[in-house]
Amino acid sequence: KAGVTQTPRYLIKTRGQQVTLSCSPISGHRSVSWYQQTPGQGLQFLFEYFSETQRNKGNFPGRFSGRQFSNSRSEMNVSTLELGDSALYLCASSLFAGSNTEAFFGQGTRLTVV
Amino acid sequence: QQQVKQSPQSLIVQKGGISIINCAYENTAFDYFPWYQQFPGKGPALLIAIRPDVSEKKEGRFTISFNKSAKQFSLHIMDSQPGDSATYFCAARRGNYQLIWGAGTKLIIKP
Repeated sequence: KAGVTQTPRYLIKTRGQQVTLSCSPISGHRSVSWYQQTPGQGLQFLFEYFSETQRNKGNFPGRFSGRQFSNSRSEMNVSTLELGDSALYLCASSLFAGSNTEAFFGQGTRLTVV
Repeated sequence: QQQVKQSPQSLIVQKGGISIINCAYENTAFDYFPWYQQFPGKGPALLIAIRPDVSEKKEGRFTISFNKSAKQFSLHIMDSQPGDSATYFCAARRGNYQLIWGAGTKLIIKP
């Protein structure tokens, strides 16, 4: 059974550009959550999608957006990149939304903004 | 009230010793408390989880102790091994809301 796949693994972008990150959840999983991880800040919740609908949203500016497709694959977009957006972006999939189901994480996309 | 406070930030333990990481929360509505383990270059992976109706859960060398009245829970790693060196995160969730994460503890086990 394939795990959560995130692409690309590494990305270097320039300030002001935009970026799209992709996440393919485990087959059969319908919930996808996105997190930003920076040293000393832990995991900061971005948003959660379930059956193509955004269910929960963290405290990030509107430059951060996402969507989920009918096959449960999800994309995250960051527009007008800032240096502070440099981080590891993690995607987690679970069978259902909430309900104490285990979240499985991908290896993340390391974004560097220069 | 949504915060989960984790301590210590870093921890060094001798091989064979007991590693203890603590977390505290305020929201009494939290009903799911997992611990995740993260190795460098990898995403976090679920290690063990507990619900508030249980005071302790053990899986191999890993034990969660849960104190509902004190609103605290902790991870104990018995007979700590160099392979346990990783960053550990506690988290908490209420119903269908998102997980609220602690800041993480970097654990180093010295051979």
